[in-house]
Amino acid sequence: DAGITQSPRHKVTETGTPVTLRCHQTENHRYMYWYRQDPGHGLRLIHYSYGVKDTDKGEVSDGYSVSRSKTEDFLLTLESATSSQTSVYFCAIRDRVDGELFFGEGSRLTVL
Amino acid sequence: DAKTTQPPSMDCAEGRAANLPCNHSTISGNEYVYWYRQIHSQGPQYIIHGLKNNETNEMASLIITEDRKSSTLILPHATLRDTAVYYCIVRVAQDDKIIFGKGTRLHILP
Repeated sequence: DAGITQSPRHKVTETGTPVTLRCHQTENHRYMYWYRQDPGHGLRLIHYSYGVKDTDKGEVSDGYSVSRSKTEDFLLTLESATSSQTSVYFCAIRDRVDGELFFGEGSRLTVL
Repeated sequence: DAKTTQPPSMDCAEGRAANLPCNHSTISGNEYVYWYRQIHSQGPQYIIHGLKNNETNEMASLIITEDRKSSTLILPHATLRDTAVYYCIVRVAQDDKIIFGKGTRLHILP
């Protein structure tokens, strides 16, 4: 299994509070991704990174920011959480250009 | 936007071959076809990918039509553990932005 750890795995928070999800990898892979998954929508790309300090937007980036200050960590931040951001968040990593994605176990976020 | 079309759901009897179709009629010459699956709320898992030729590994076979406008993922002897959502993705190798569609929910029937 790829060495990917997401934290926290479960979080309940209130509307308006900031939340940061962490994705940590031990594989030294270049590419990292954040997806969210909701019933009826499948997996949707939020942000991705193609190197340290290099990030770009995905399909549903509004309300989210990311940072990657070192290879092993990719942080997803919700500056002010809303109920529409209640979801399961998956991190993924990829090594080479044509390589496949390896996913973490997911983080379940509930915004009340 | 996802570049593929998959049926929302399919059934297959246990022990039979499961054939999952994917339509990618606008695929370009340098785009690969990738397949992933997601077993109930776990993180998705890579299965196989190919460009032009058919591919086989320990999990599945990938059959790509000669015009490359469609492909079929074959699970040769489906088991109950193959019940999952299967995603077909088309992308250029150099494209870092990887978009998933809604996939096909495969039910393996005992």
